Amino acid sequence: GQQLNQSPQSMFIQEGEDVSMNCTSSSIFNTWLWYKQDPGEGPVLLIALYKAGELTSNGRLTAQFGITRKDSFLNISASIPSDVGIYFCAGRGYGGSQGNLIFGKGTKLSVKP
Amino acid sequence: GAVVSQHPSWVICKSGTSVKIECRSLDFQATTMFWYRQFPKQSLMLMATSNEGSKATYEQGVEKDKFLINHASLTLSTLTVTSAHPEDSSFYICSARDGKRAQETQYFGPGTRLLVL
Repeated sequence: GQQLNQSPQSMFIQEGEDVSMNCTSSSIFNTWLWYKQDPGEGPVLLIALYKAGELTSNGRLTAQFGITRKDSFLNISASIPSDVGIYFCAGRGYGGSQGNLIFGKGTKLSVKP
Repeated sequence: GAVVSQHPSWVICKSGTSVKIECRSLDFQATTMFWYRQFPKQSLMLMATSNEGSKATYEQGVEKDKFLINHASLTLSTLTVTSAHPEDSSFYICSARDGKRAQETQYFGPGTRLLVL
């Protein structure tokens, strides 16, 4: 079946630093979504990507849909303490049940003030 | 942005009882809703997909008689954990897909934490 690898698993950074995380899939995806989850809450959609090569920003966040359709990255610039949380990538491939997203295992971000 | 609510946010129950969790899309019509389960420090595990007016599609290994799903309207889906046991304790999260949008986007509810004693 389709597999999705997300890295890194965790990051410890200093406030103000830039952050980069990525996801790769074993097969082609037609959608990439990036979510952030705070403890005890549901994931919140940050950025949605639907086209190969697409680069989309949301404030200090930037995400790109890889040209090969098998990867995506999320960058956070000038990190702040409230960026702390777990970031999940999710992708949807061609075929299979419509709407079934596959989730990465998450990147836990810690920001030191 | 799209809003999805869940109720209750947390529940504690005795073993053997049934628990119902509601998922509502507040400002859009959700033709499809999804139920996930999340264990501590792990990713989301899809349990089932529910389409309005039809039977839910369960993922492999998920007991449909134990986790009853009803999607009676375009804004409401319910998950009932029947005869709950301690191993059912988990964080249950629903998500909803906006039926009017051509592109795939799922919006998540805030989750329901279930503790079975």
